[in-house]
Amino acid sequence: GAVVSQHPSWVICKSGTSVKIECRSLDFQATTMFWYRQFPKQSLMLMATSNEGSKATYEQGVEKDKFLINHASLTLSTLTVTSAHPEDSSFYICSARDLTGAGNEKLFFGSGTQLSVL
Amino acid sequence: QKEVEQDPGPLSVPEGAIVSLNCTYSNSAFQYFMWYRQYSRKGPELLMYTYSSGNKEDGRFTAQVDKSSKYISLFIRDSQPSDSATYLCAMSEGAQKLVFGQGTRLTINP
Repeated sequence: GAVVSQHPSWVICKSGTSVKIECRSLDFQATTMFWYRQFPKQSLMLMATSNEGSKATYEQGVEKDKFLINHASLTLSTLTVTSAHPEDSSFYICSARDLTGAGNEKLFFGSGTQLSVL
Repeated sequence: QKEVEQDPGPLSVPEGAIVSLNCTYSNSAFQYFMWYRQYSRKGPELLMYTYSSGNKEDGRFTAQVDKSSKYISLFIRDSQPSDSATYLCAMSEGAQKLVFGQGTRLTINP
């Protein structure tokens, strides 16, 4: 299957600082990437859809000014958590679709980033 | 009512047992059905992908979709301790956002 690389795998930061998480599609081009948030023992919550060359689409209740998304190329999307606070501590996961060939509904995930805000 | 319902478990079985994981859904427009496996603090890994109704087998894993009942299943034969993980069902109408179940925590005891 397609490979999605996410970096860093974990980060600890002080309250008030900003953190950037990168998501790369390694062997395919992804015009659309998705960012999820996952709390312990819960399922994935879609935060936003990242579109290459245009603004991201945010889900209801997600602050677009707090979670900045940039999708500047067909293989890279970034999520920046601005002015992070302890309540932003969570597991963030990106995903992408390989739209080439059949079965392009399949979603491939990065390995996730555990963010801890002190 | 949630669009996709999945028993969160936890489910604990002995090694070698057959495991059955299930999801029900309410949206009859769902056409694509997936099962993901997620280890702790890792991203979900695609296990099985099925379009419309029917069965699909891959090694020890079998996925079943019954659209008439709005019910999907994942069977794991000869379960191994390495199968211990959270299993998420997911589905979509097409190339749109996936809707996930809550995930079932599975433990295979040696």
